[in-house]
Amino acid sequence: QSALTQPPSASGSPGQSVTISCTGTSSDVGNYNFVSWYQQHPGKAPKLMIYEVNKRPSGVPDRFSGSKSGNTASLTVSGLQAEDEADYYCSSYSRSNDFGVFGTGTKVTVL
Amino acid sequence: EVQLVESGGGLVQPGGSVRLSCVASGFTFTDYWMHWVRQAPGKGLVWVSRVKTDGSFTSYADSVKGRFSISRDNAKNTVYLEMNSLRAEDTAVYYCVRVTSWGGDYWGQGTLVSVSS
Repeated sequence: QSALTQPPSASGSPGQSVTISCTGTSSDVGNYNFVSWYQQHPGKAPKLMIYEVNKRPSGVPDRFSGSKSGNTASLTVSGLQAEDEADYYCSSYSRSNDFGVFGTGTKVTVL
Repeated sequence: EVQLVESGGGLVQPGGSVRLSCVASGFTFTDYWMHWVRQAPGKGLVWVSRVKTDGSFTSYADSVKGRFSISRDNAKNTVYLEMNSLRAEDTAVYYCVRVTSWGGDYWGQGTLVSVSS
């Protein structure tokens, strides 16, 4: 099972928005709403930011939003803040091996 | 407060074995599938293994199938990962994760397994 494809990096100035894409196939992202997004700061465990494509866990700011179109899911961070600088990973269930698959990861830099 | 505390990592020789443990607290353990996710140094996240709420179903990433075994003891609120025939490429931080709808909502702090001679 190949990893989902994410851009290696993304950036924006404070207050701006950044959108990260996550491209899979019809065996995962395209046909299942089990898409989640994680934020990871250096040396820390990942933190769930979005689950089931567009749902936010309690405590996650509404600046974070998720969506999906076809085989591509997206995470948008609006009103960028310095603390949003981190690595972001998407994940999806995959029917090809009845297991999960993560994305390649995107490093977000706040300029 | 939900807590997941892993232990058991360390330095192990190639071909060796190690058992990771994850003790859960702060939630009804039997309501959740539990997973292990790993992250090699400087690399991305990889789902490794999962176990159903009652331990009756398990599954594994192809890269560890036949070498790793996941289990849980619901009386002790603990999930285990038995790792055998370890290879250098198994070197990683291993995270215990509580999962619902394939979203990992709580993660442990991770335990490092280093495979080297």
